[in-house]
Amino acid sequence: DARVTQTPRHKVTEMGQEVTMRCQPILGHNTVFWYRQTMMQGLELLAYFRNRAPLDDSGMPKDRFSAEMPDATLATLKIQPSEPRDSAVYFCASGFPMGVDTGELFFGEGSRLTVL
Amino acid sequence: AQSVAQPEDQVNVAEGNPLTVKCTYSVSGNPYLFWYVQYPNRGLQFLLKYITGDNLVKGSYGFEAEFNKSQTSFHLKKPSALVSDSALYFCAVRGNAGNNRKLIWGLGTSLAVNP
Repeated sequence: DARVTQTPRHKVTEMGQEVTMRCQPILGHNTVFWYRQTMMQGLELLAYFRNRAPLDDSGMPKDRFSAEMPDATLATLKIQPSEPRDSAVYFCASGFPMGVDTGELFFGEGSRLTVL
Repeated sequence: AQSVAQPEDQVNVAEGNPLTVKCTYSVSGNPYLFWYVQYPNRGLQFLLKYITGDNLVKGSYGFEAEFNKSQTSFHLKKPSALVSDSALYFCAVRGNAGNNRKLIWGLGTSLAVNP
C-alpha cells in the first residue's frame, strides 16, 4: 500500500531550537509539496518541488525555514530557529506530473509541531 | 486573483439525510476543481475532481459534486449521509494556464453527521 511517510508525527520543542521534518514521497512520484495547516490560516503552501528542484517556495518564511530534496526518496523541511508561531501541523504531499497538474495529491499523516 | 470560498464553517446533518457542502470559486480561464476530505489526525484524501466534461462528477465513498459555471460553484453532495462521513472537507481550485496553476484551498467545512 503506497503512501507518503512523514516523521516525526509529533514534536514538542522549545523556542530557538532547530526542527527538521522528513518526508518520503510515494515511489515514482516526482512532485512534492510542503503545506502548513493551522486553525487560523487553513492550508498554506510552503514549498513545491518537481524532480527535486524547488519550483515555488514563496510561501515559506526565508529567514528561518528551508526545504530541500537531497534525493528522490527524501524531502526535508527545516526550521531554525523555531518560534511559538510555527506551531502547526506540517503536511507533505506527492504526486505524478499528470496527477499534480490535475490536482490529485497524496498526503502524509502530518507532523504536529508544538513550539513552547 | 484566484480564490475559493467555503461559506459554512460547519454543517450538521442527520444520518440518512442528504448532505451538501458548498464551495464557490473565482479563477481566470477554465477551472480545475477538487474536493478532499480530512479525518481527525489524518492527512487529506482526494475525493473527486472536475476537469472537463459532465458537470456531475462522482467520487469516492458515494460522494458527488456538481459544477455550475454560471454560479461559479462546485458543491459536494451525498444522497444519504453516514456517521462515518463526519470529517473536514476542503474544496480547491486551480486555473489551467500560465501562472494560475497553483492549487488554491478553501478553509474547510466541518461536517458532523448525527446518529
